Amino acid sequence: GENVEQHPSTLSVQEGDSAVIKCTYSDSASNYFPWYKQELGKGPQLIIDIRSNVGEKKDQRIAVTLNKTAKHFSLHITETQPEDSAVYFCAASIDGNNRLAFGKGNQVVVIP
Amino acid sequence: DAGITQSPRHKVTETGTPVTLRCHQTENHRYMYWYRQDPGHGLRLIHYSYGVKDTDKGEVSDGYSVSRSKTEDFLLTLESATSSQTSVYFCATHDSPRTEAFFGQGTRLTVV
Repeated sequence: GENVEQHPSTLSVQEGDSAVIKCTYSDSASNYFPWYKQELGKGPQLIIDIRSNVGEKKDQRIAVTLNKTAKHFSLHITETQPEDSAVYFCAASIDGNNRLAFGKGNQVVVIP
Repeated sequence: DAGITQSPRHKVTETGTPVTLRCHQTENHRYMYWYRQDPGHGLRLIHYSYGVKDTDKGEVSDGYSVSRSKTEDFLLTLESATSSQTSVYFCATHDSPRTEAFFGQGTRLTVV
């Protein structure tokens, strides 16, 4: 089955700097890769996603890049702000219905 | 927010008792999922449903059962709760194979 791994597990950045979280996956058939943000006491919320026919996608300060050959994808957050502090989960689809396998999550701390 | 309501939001129960968690959605989404979230493990899929009376096991289904008799409700039952089932449980739904999944606010279950 699909195995999704995230690195690093915790990331501290100074406000205004960039943060990058990398995920690797094992199943070359995966074709959908979302990123979720989870704030304390809340459910995960989708922030950006990418499909395997695209190499990069941007939405304001957030971008995701996908390398299908290497089977990894990364979340890039630029100009980090305190409200970016949260746990971020990557995921990869494991069937054609977008059933997902999740990574273990990254705690991002933005230091004011 | 896809109009997902999880109930109860918090529950403390004793070992050996049955427990049912409810996920109710108002968006007529076909696909529904139950995950558990534990420190160091991220989100792990317990059971999922691709339609009324169409359910299947996820990666950590032992000790859990589900039912989906109506589109809007997906019930997760712990037949005989154990301390290892102390966790935060999340329900997620989406409309079609190519749409994003929305999560509920979670249910914190403690088994003592």
